[in-house]
Amino acid sequence: DAGVTQSPTHLIKTRGQQVTLRCSPISGHKSVSWYQQVLGQGPQFIFQYYEKEERGRGNFPDRFSARQFPNYSSELNVNALLLGDSALYLCASSSIGTGSRGYTFGSGTRLTVV
Amino acid sequence: ELKVEQNPLFLSMQEGKNYTIYCNYSTTSDRLYWYRQDPGKSLESLFVLLSNGAVKQEGRLMASLDTKARLSTLHITAAVHDLSATYFCAVDMNRDDKIIFGKGTRLHILP
Repeated sequence: DAGVTQSPTHLIKTRGQQVTLRCSPISGHKSVSWYQQVLGQGPQFIFQYYEKEERGRGNFPDRFSARQFPNYSSELNVNALLLGDSALYLCASSSIGTGSRGYTFGSGTRLTVV
Repeated sequence: ELKVEQNPLFLSMQEGKNYTIYCNYSTTSDRLYWYRQDPGKSLESLFVLLSNGAVKQEGRLMASLDTKARLSTLHITAAVHDLSATYFCAVDMNRDDKIIFGKGTRLHILP
Protein backbone atom coordinates (compact mmCIF):
# COMPACT_ATOMS: atom_id res chain seq x y z
CA ASP A 1 0.00 0.00 0.00
CA ALA A 2 1.52 3.31 -1.06
CA GLY A 3 2.24 5.86 1.62
CA VAL A 4 2.03 9.61 1.28
CA THR A 5 3.78 10.66 -1.91
CA GLN A 6 5.15 14.12 -2.57
CA SER A 7 6.65 15.65 -5.67
CA PRO A 8 9.09 16.94 -6.55
CA THR A 9 11.64 15.79 -3.97
CA HIS A 10 13.97 18.73 -4.53
CA LEU A 11 13.46 22.11 -6.11
CA ILE A 12 15.59 25.19 -6.65
CA LYS A 13 13.84 28.46 -7.41
CA THR A 14 14.84 32.09 -7.72
CA ARG A 15 13.48 34.86 -5.51
CA GLY A 16 10.19 36.19 -6.82
CA GLN A 17 9.26 33.00 -8.63
CA GLN A 18 6.25 30.83 -7.91
CA VAL A 19 6.28 27.15 -6.94
CA THR A 20 3.71 24.34 -6.77
CA LEU A 21 4.22 21.31 -4.57
CA ARG A 22 2.10 18.19 -4.85
CA CYS A 23 0.90 15.56 -2.41
CA SER A 24 -1.06 12.32 -2.74
CA PRO A 25 -2.45 10.99 0.53
CA ILE A 26 -2.71 7.39 1.61
CA SER A 27 -5.59 5.66 -0.11
CA GLY A 28 -8.74 6.20 1.92
CA HIS A 29 -7.42 9.27 3.74
CA LYS A 30 -9.48 12.38 3.09
CA SER A 31 -7.45 14.86 5.10
CA VAL A 32 -4.22 16.48 3.96
CA SER A 33 -2.09 18.89 5.97
CA TRP A 34 0.94 20.90 4.93
CA TYR A 35 3.88 21.80 7.16
CA GLN A 36 7.00 23.86 6.68
CA GLN A 37 10.18 22.75 8.42
CA VAL A 38 13.07 25.16 8.46
CA LEU A 39 16.44 23.60 9.18
CA GLY A 40 16.88 22.93 12.88
CA GLN A 41 13.26 23.66 13.79
CA GLY A 42 10.07 21.69 14.30
CA PRO A 43 7.48 21.57 11.52
CA GLN A 44 5.12 24.56 11.37
CA PHE A 45 1.50 24.08 10.35
CA ILE A 46 0.49 25.80 7.09
CA PHE A 47 -2.86 24.35 5.98
CA GLN A 48 -5.26 21.50 6.54
CA TYR A 49 -7.82 20.35 3.97
CA TYR A 50 -10.60 17.85 4.46
CA GLU A 51 -13.07 16.86 1.78
CA LYS A 52 -11.73 19.71 -0.39
CA GLU A 53 -12.52 22.32 2.24
CA GLU A 54 -9.92 24.33 4.13
CA ARG A 55 -10.23 23.44 7.79
CA GLY A 56 -7.28 25.26 9.21
CA ARG A 57 -4.64 27.77 8.34
CA GLY A 58 -1.44 28.58 10.14
CA ASN A 59 0.31 31.89 10.53
CA PHE A 60 1.63 32.20 6.99
CA PRO A 61 1.26 35.09 4.54
CA ASP A 62 -1.24 35.12 1.71
CA ARG A 63 1.56 34.16 -0.67
CA PHE A 64 0.87 30.64 0.52
CA SER A 65 -2.23 28.92 -0.84
CA ALA A 66 -3.42 25.37 -1.26
CA ARG A 67 -6.23 23.30 -2.61
CA GLN A 68 -7.48 19.74 -2.49
CA PHE A 69 -8.84 17.86 -5.45
CA PRO A 70 -11.75 15.38 -5.69
CA ASN A 71 -9.28 12.48 -5.46
CA TYR A 72 -8.00 14.04 -2.18
CA SER A 73 -4.59 14.92 -3.58
CA SER A 74 -3.41 18.40 -2.78
CA GLU A 75 -1.23 21.20 -4.06
CA LEU A 76 0.59 23.87 -2.11
CA ASN A 77 1.41 27.07 -3.99
CA VAL A 78 3.84 29.71 -2.89
CA ASN A 79 4.06 32.98 -4.81
CA ALA A 80 6.75 35.66 -4.83
CA LEU A 81 9.30 33.38 -3.21
CA LEU A 82 11.60 34.78 -0.57
CA LEU A 83 14.92 33.39 0.62
CA GLY A 84 13.20 32.58 3.92
CA ASP A 85 10.85 30.19 2.17
CA SER A 86 13.71 27.75 1.81
CA ALA A 87 12.66 24.73 3.83
CA LEU A 88 11.46 21.15 3.80
CA TYR A 89 7.75 21.09 2.99
CA LEU A 90 5.95 18.12 4.45
CA CYS A 91 2.56 16.76 3.59
CA ALA A 92 0.65 14.61 6.06
CA SER A 93 -2.48 12.58 5.52
CA SER A 94 -4.85 11.33 8.16
CA SER A 95 -8.04 9.37 8.44
CA ILE A 96 -10.11 11.85 10.35
CA GLY A 97 -12.86 10.36 12.45
CA THR A 98 -11.90 6.75 11.89
CA GLY A 99 -9.52 6.07 14.71
CA SER A 100 -6.19 6.76 16.24
CA ARG A 101 -3.71 6.32 13.47
CA GLY A 102 -2.48 9.85 13.63
CA TYR A 103 -0.77 11.63 10.83
CA THR A 104 1.46 9.95 8.25
CA PHE A 105 4.04 12.19 6.64
CA GLY A 106 5.45 12.05 3.16
CA SER A 107 9.15 12.28 2.39
CA GLY A 108 8.87 16.00 1.79
CA THR A 109 9.91 18.48 -0.86
CA ARG A 110 13.11 20.35 -0.16
CA LEU A 111 12.77 23.85 -1.59
CA THR A 112 15.81 26.06 -1.99
CA VAL A 113 15.27 29.69 -2.94
CA VAL A 114 18.33 31.48 -4.31
CA GLU B 1 -2.45 29.51 21.64
CA LEU B 2 -1.07 26.06 22.22
CA LYS B 3 2.62 25.91 23.01
CA VAL B 4 4.63 22.72 23.07
CA GLU B 5 7.97 22.67 24.84
CA GLN B 6 10.50 19.88 24.77
CA ASN B 7 13.53 19.45 26.91
CA PRO B 8 16.29 18.92 26.58
CA LEU B 9 16.75 20.27 23.06
CA PHE B 10 20.04 18.45 22.71
CA LEU B 11 21.22 15.32 24.43
CA SER B 12 24.46 13.46 24.08
CA MET B 13 24.64 10.19 25.92
CA GLN B 14 26.62 7.00 26.11
CA GLU B 15 25.35 3.70 24.83
CA GLY B 16 23.73 1.60 27.51
CA LYS B 17 22.44 4.55 29.52
CA ASN B 18 18.82 5.47 30.24
CA TYR B 19 17.32 8.87 29.68
CA THR B 20 14.00 10.69 29.42
CA ILE B 21 12.81 13.41 27.06
CA TYR B 22 10.05 15.65 28.36
CA CYS B 23 7.22 17.30 26.43
CA ASN B 24 5.04 19.93 28.11
CA TYR B 25 2.08 21.59 26.46
CA SER B 26 0.06 24.61 27.46
CA THR B 27 -3.62 23.82 26.83
CA THR B 28 -5.94 20.87 27.20
CA SER B 29 -5.44 18.11 24.69
CA ASP B 30 -5.94 14.38 24.81
CA ARG B 31 -3.94 13.35 21.78
CA LEU B 32 -0.18 13.45 21.59
CA TYR B 33 2.26 12.11 19.04
CA TRP B 34 5.93 11.24 19.06
CA TYR B 35 7.92 11.27 15.83
CA ARG B 36 11.48 10.44 14.91
CA GLN B 37 13.39 12.29 12.21
CA ASP B 38 16.76 11.25 10.79
CA PRO B 39 18.91 13.93 9.13
CA GLY B 40 17.49 14.97 5.78
CA LYS B 41 14.55 12.62 6.14
CA SER B 42 10.84 12.89 6.86
CA LEU B 43 9.01 12.16 10.10
CA GLU B 44 8.49 8.61 11.24
CA SER B 45 5.57 8.01 13.58
CA LEU B 46 6.61 6.35 16.84
CA PHE B 47 3.65 6.61 19.19
CA VAL B 48 0.11 7.95 19.32
CA LEU B 49 -1.09 8.56 22.87
CA LEU B 50 -4.82 9.05 23.18
CA SER B 51 -5.77 9.25 26.80
CA ASN B 52 -4.60 10.12 30.26
CA GLY B 53 -2.29 7.46 31.61
CA ALA B 54 -1.58 5.99 28.20
CA VAL B 55 1.72 4.13 28.01
CA LYS B 56 3.17 2.61 24.88
CA GLN B 57 6.42 0.76 24.34
CA GLU B 58 8.35 -0.22 21.27
CA GLY B 59 11.74 -1.76 21.75
CA ARG B 60 13.92 0.52 23.86
CA LEU B 61 11.45 3.42 23.68
CA MET B 62 8.52 3.97 25.99
CA ALA B 63 6.12 6.91 25.87
CA SER B 64 3.58 8.03 28.44
CA LEU B 65 0.95 10.74 28.72
CA ASP B 66 -0.36 12.63 31.74
CA THR B 67 -3.10 14.94 30.47
CA LYS B 68 -3.69 16.49 33.88
CA ALA B 69 -0.07 17.58 34.12
CA ARG B 70 0.00 18.29 30.35
CA LEU B 71 3.15 16.22 30.15
CA SER B 72 4.41 13.41 28.01
CA THR B 73 7.68 11.57 28.40
CA LEU B 74 9.75 9.49 26.02
CA HIS B 75 12.01 7.15 27.93
CA ILE B 76 15.02 5.51 26.36
CA THR B 77 16.31 2.33 27.94
CA ALA B 78 19.86 1.10 27.39
CA ALA B 79 20.44 3.42 24.46
CA VAL B 80 22.09 2.16 21.29
CA HIS B 81 23.73 4.21 18.54
CA ASP B 82 20.90 3.49 16.10
CA LEU B 83 18.56 5.60 18.22
CA SER B 84 20.51 8.75 17.34
CA ALA B 85 17.98 11.07 15.69
CA THR B 86 15.79 14.07 16.42
CA TYR B 87 12.61 13.31 18.36
CA PHE B 88 9.55 15.50 18.15
CA CYS B 89 6.42 15.54 20.20
CA ALA B 90 3.28 17.04 18.68
CA VAL B 91 -0.08 17.85 20.22
CA ASP B 92 -3.54 18.12 18.68
CA MET B 93 -5.10 21.53 19.23
CA ASN B 94 -8.52 20.15 18.54
CA ARG B 95 -9.39 16.66 17.57
CA ASP B 96 -8.76 16.12 13.86
CA ASP B 97 -7.30 19.59 13.45
CA LYS B 98 -3.76 20.80 13.13
CA ILE B 99 -0.99 19.45 15.33
CA ILE B 100 1.60 21.66 16.96
CA PHE B 101 5.16 20.44 17.18
CA GLY B 102 7.80 21.03 19.77
CA LYS B 103 11.25 22.18 18.67
CA GLY B 104 12.60 18.65 18.85
CA THR B 105 15.23 16.90 20.91
CA ARG B 106 18.38 16.10 19.03
CA LEU B 107 19.69 12.86 20.50
CA HIS B 108 23.27 11.79 19.91
CA ILE B 109 24.30 8.44 21.29
CA LEU B 110 27.99 7.83 21.54
CA PRO B 111 29.23 4.31 20.79
